[in-house]
Amino acid sequence: QKEVEQNSGPLSVPEGAIASLNCTYSDRGSQSFFWYRQYSGKSPELIMFIYSNGDKEDGRFTAQLNKASQYVSLLIRDSQPSDSATYLCAVNPPLLGGGADGLTFGKGTHLIIQP
Amino acid sequence: NAGVTQTPKFQVLKTGQSMTLQCAQDMNHNSMYWYRQDPGMGLRLIYYSASEGTTDKGEVPNGYNVSRLNKREFSLRLESAAPSQTSVYFCASSEFGRVSDEKLFFGSGTQLSVL
Repeated sequence: QKEVEQNSGPLSVPEGAIASLNCTYSDRGSQSFFWYRQYSGKSPELIMFIYSNGDKEDGRFTAQLNKASQYVSLLIRDSQPSDSATYLCAVNPPLLGGGADGLTFGKGTHLIIQP
Repeated sequence: NAGVTQTPKFQVLKTGQSMTLQCAQDMNHNSMYWYRQDPGMGLRLIYYSASEGTTDKGEVPNGYNVSRLNKREFSLRLESAAPSQTSVYFCASSEFGRVSDEKLFFGSGTQLSVL
């Protein structure tokens, strides 16, 4: 069974600090990993993806992947109030028989950046 | 460029009524998906279509049917709505739907209430 686990929060971080969001997954053969941001009442939007072990940086965001530990994280530097949202971790497990079978999402972590 | 367009945005049904949620994408994507999002449950895959002419069940397909009308359009039908189908429904698409490239782009969602 494919599972993606996240702490639901809320995670409260002061403005300007680093927010650290964590995610674990159960399927060791998973190939790719995604972070989506979802504002209240809106649809999820992709902010980061990572395929290889290590760090990937994009502006204030850094995704970290450790396949041996089945762990992926998202760091947000210089946190802003506009970063307050729910962050969804998503995992693309191995395909069975080819084709697309959708991402498996965690339940999300609610992040609050305090001014 | 509209991306992924869903209609309607809001809908209220009575138990036993039927309806179809419409989704269209203008990004020439091959794969399309329907997810539902419930509080505390995260996003769950209902059905997906890896390519035009194919559809497959996801995690929670019971009570739903889908049609991939053409490459652009993917509809979700509730034949006999039940209160348990009260949820926010998201349509999504991805360019290839392959293991390493399944970045999903979401529509704005349909908030459905079944009384």
